[in-house]
Amino acid sequence: EAQVTQNPRYLITVTGKKLTVTCSQNMNHEYMSWYRQDPGLGLRQIYYSMNVEVTDKGDVPEGYKVSRKEKRNFPLILESPSPNQTSLYFCASSFPGAYEQYFGPGTRLTVT
Amino acid sequence: GESVGLHLPTLSVQEGDNSIINCAYSNSASDYFIWYKQESGKGPQFIIDIRSNMDKRQGQRVTVLLNKTVKHLSLQIAATQPGDSAVYFCAEMWPGGSYIPTFGRGTSLIVHP
Repeated sequence: EAQVTQNPRYLITVTGKKLTVTCSQNMNHEYMSWYRQDPGLGLRQIYYSMNVEVTDKGDVPEGYKVSRKEKRNFPLILESPSPNQTSLYFCASSFPGAYEQYFGPGTRLTVT
Repeated sequence: GESVGLHLPTLSVQEGDNSIINCAYSNSASDYFIWYKQESGKGPQFIIDIRSNMDKRQGQRVTVLLNKTVKHLSLQIAATQPGDSAVYFCAEMWPGGSYIPTFGRGTSLIVHP
């Protein structure tokens, strides 16, 4: 089954404790991206990757890192999480160009 | 599930009615548009797309209309069902932006049985 998977689905952590949210897709998509979703603000892009070893900042990259060492995986790293990073996070993938994005199920992160 | 609909425009309809959800896009260079549906607790899912060389496209129970003159998209859902209750987003893409989507804030559709 074609899908985007994220882990964990739910995470509660404390300020400053490094964490990684994994994202994997099995559709051989070149393009992958991370979004955060907050009430009333819609989807805001954090980082994206056009292909392996090619990453770029989205609209809200501060406090986040990503890596793209393999085509299928695109982990999101929070080196020192803060409460304002409490949010719902989505990973997505697609073929480059005018194509639909496939979204993962979401990761609910709470930073206390 | 998680609520993503707080503070969003809301459309309430009765089951069986037709629904129209509107979206104003920002970039006159956009040439590809997608409507997504997001149910509570889930990620957005593709519904229908349209390219700028068309002004209408129909799917199963859904129709997207594109008016490039006023930069406006609409999603029409025929015979709305309770399962259609969700948040609906439009996304615009353009070649100069590498077709990286820009999403609208979304509209919450509530269907009453």
